[in-house]
Amino acid sequence: QVQLVESGGGVVQPGRSLRLSCAASGFTFSSYAMHWVRQAPGRGLEWVALISFDGRNEFYPDSMKGRFTVSRDNSKNTFYLQMNSLRSEDTAVYYCARGTGGDYFSDWGQGTLVTVSS
Amino acid sequence: EIVMTQSPATLSLSPGERATLSCRASQSVGSNLAWYQQKPGQTPRLLIYGAFTRATGIPARFSGSGSGTEFTLTISSLQSEDFAVYYCQEYNNWPPLLTFGGGTRVEIK
Repeated sequence: QVQLVESGGGVVQPGRSLRLSCAASGFTFSSYAMHWVRQAPGRGLEWVALISFDGRNEFYPDSMKGRFTVSRDNSKNTFYLQMNSLRSEDTAVYYCARGTGGDYFSDWGQGTLVTVSS
Repeated sequence: EIVMTQSPATLSLSPGERATLSCRASQSVGSNLAWYQQKPGQTPRLLIYGAFTRATGIPARFSGSGSGTEFTLTISSLQSEDFAVYYCQEYNNWPPLLTFGGGTRVEIK
């Protein structure tokens, strides 16, 4: 069965950086686009980033461009989210999710909490 | 950017009742619309994609309809496990700029 396990969350000071990881299993990782989606405490869902199956293409909403970078290592069945210049409003649970032929999210990890606070 | 608006924000119903949730897009998204269920403390779960296709393992009491800018998620007879928050999400743009609605909470009356 599909399994997605996030790691790397924690408490970080404003302006600092953090890298999240998502380890995938149960499917042919190198054949699927992958996404990051976040959810601030008590709030709704917000798409953060998409990386194509081969890692050649990345997409972000405007609010994330320039600060967040997604990457993947298909040899390790893992993809990453590098977050720089973190702000308090980046505090959220970050989920990794498997993409599909269309850009909806068929499977989700359990999430990792990122808290940006001094 | 496409704005997705869900209504109502909260729906108070009793088990066995029919739930009708609405999702409106600020511009046409064709049939590129998905619905997710999220229970408290849990990860979201895909219910519907392509506006009306149930995801694997989703019970038949969940149905989706609509196209263009107006969409509906219907739960024909609410079960206790269906009380949750439901989100719609469009995926019509290229390059991708994926947006979610604000959610509808279905609570026990």
